[in-house]
Amino acid sequence: GENVEQHPSTLSVQEGDSAVIKCTYSDSASNYFPWYKQELGKGPQLIIDIRSNVGEKKDQRIAVTLNKTAKHFSLHITETQPEDSAVYFCAALNDYKLSFGAGTTVTVRA
Amino acid sequence: EAGVAQSPRYKIIEKRQSVAFWCNPISGHATLYWYQQILGQGPKLLIQFQNNGVVDDSQLPKDRFSAERLKGVDSTLKIQPAKLEDSAVYLCASSPWTGGTVSEQYFGPGTRLTVT
Repeated sequence: GENVEQHPSTLSVQEGDSAVIKCTYSDSASNYFPWYKQELGKGPQLIIDIRSNVGEKKDQRIAVTLNKTAKHFSLHITETQPEDSAVYFCAALNDYKLSFGAGTTVTVRA
Repeated sequence: EAGVAQSPRYKIIEKRQSVAFWCNPISGHATLYWYQQILGQGPKLLIQFQNNGVVDDSQLPKDRFSAERLKGVDSTLKIQPAKLEDSAVYLCASSPWTGGTVSEQYFGPGTRLTVT
């Protein structure tokens, strides 16, 4: 099955700085890569996704890049704000099944 | 648009007892998923339904876990008997996916289960 690794496990940034989270996947057949944000006591919320035929996608302060050759994808958050503090999960879809990374706890310092 | 609804939000039981969780997906979504999220980990798929049929239950511990989706809408997940290692958040998600092109999954708030 698919194996997704996510780094770093924790990330502390100053408000206004950028945050970058990286994920790698093992199966080249994976074709869909969503990112989820999970706040304490809540379910994961889809924030952005990218399909395997696209290299980059941006939505306001959030962007995702995909390198199919290297089998890795990254989440970029610019101009971080306190409300960006949460746990972020990457995932990869293979054979209609989503496999998740272990998560990155992002803390934005005021 | 209403999101995925789950109940109860919290449940504490003793080991060897049974427990059931309920999920109501987003209206019109054909596919429903149950995930287990252990503290500090990402969600892990337990079972996937398309309408009222099972697509994938390969990671469901069938000796103690069961799930059903009667009439292709609401779903229940049951654990009997519970073990200490079942302590986790149980997440329900739904998707408009009916095969072919992938589509997004939307999660409910989850049920936090504590087994003592």
